[in-house]
Amino acid sequence: NAGVTQTPKFQVLKTGQSMTLQCAQDMNHEYMSWYRQDPGMGLRLIHYSVGAGITDQGEVPNGYNVSRSTTEDFPLRLLSAAPSQTSVYFCASSYGGLDTEAFFGQGTRLTVV
Amino acid sequence: RKEVEQDPGPFNVPEGATVAFNCTYSNSASQSFFWYRQDCRKEPKLLMSVYSSGNEDGRFTAQLNRASQYISLLIRDSKLSDSATYLCVDTGGFKTIFGAGTRLFVKA
Repeated sequence: NAGVTQTPKFQVLKTGQSMTLQCAQDMNHEYMSWYRQDPGMGLRLIHYSVGAGITDQGEVPNGYNVSRSTTEDFPLRLLSAAPSQTSVYFCASSYGGLDTEAFFGQGTRLTVV
Repeated sequence: RKEVEQDPGPFNVPEGATVAFNCTYSNSASQSFFWYRQDCRKEPKLLMSVYSSGNEDGRFTAQLNRASQYISLLIRDSKLSDSATYLCVDTGGFKTIFGAGTRLFVKA
């Protein structure tokens, strides 16, 4: 079973460039979310979606956009990359809401130079 | 004060030891907690839920202390394969809060 698939696994961007991190799940989960993980800090919620066509901001949404056109896909767009966005990004899905088990993708290691 | 706080460790223990981690939370209304395990450079994976009555799964026991607002994870008979970072998660309220994690090294 594929579960949650993230691409790419690694990416280096120059300041000001834009890119999209892809996330797809095959578990028919309604709830999907994006987190970033930085050293010494917990995972922080960027954006989340409770179903196709519905998205909302998390704790650290600035500089990121999302859309949810299908149940399966939840891409994260960096509009104009900044060094402060250097981080590890995780996509997650769950069958319920915030209080159910989250299944994570393998992560994307992003470096902005 | 952080909303979810964990001792970052690292905890270095020999095989067979018992080790306990605590995690404090600030939202007194929180009802639902989890422990996740994260191996080095890997994604987090659910270890166990934390129920009010406690939860045991083999060598792992999770407890919730509402009066003092902390949850705990006890690992008995530690194995080399238990070496990982353990993340405490508070899903109460309107957002999910992850702790920064506690690193555990189990040595032969």
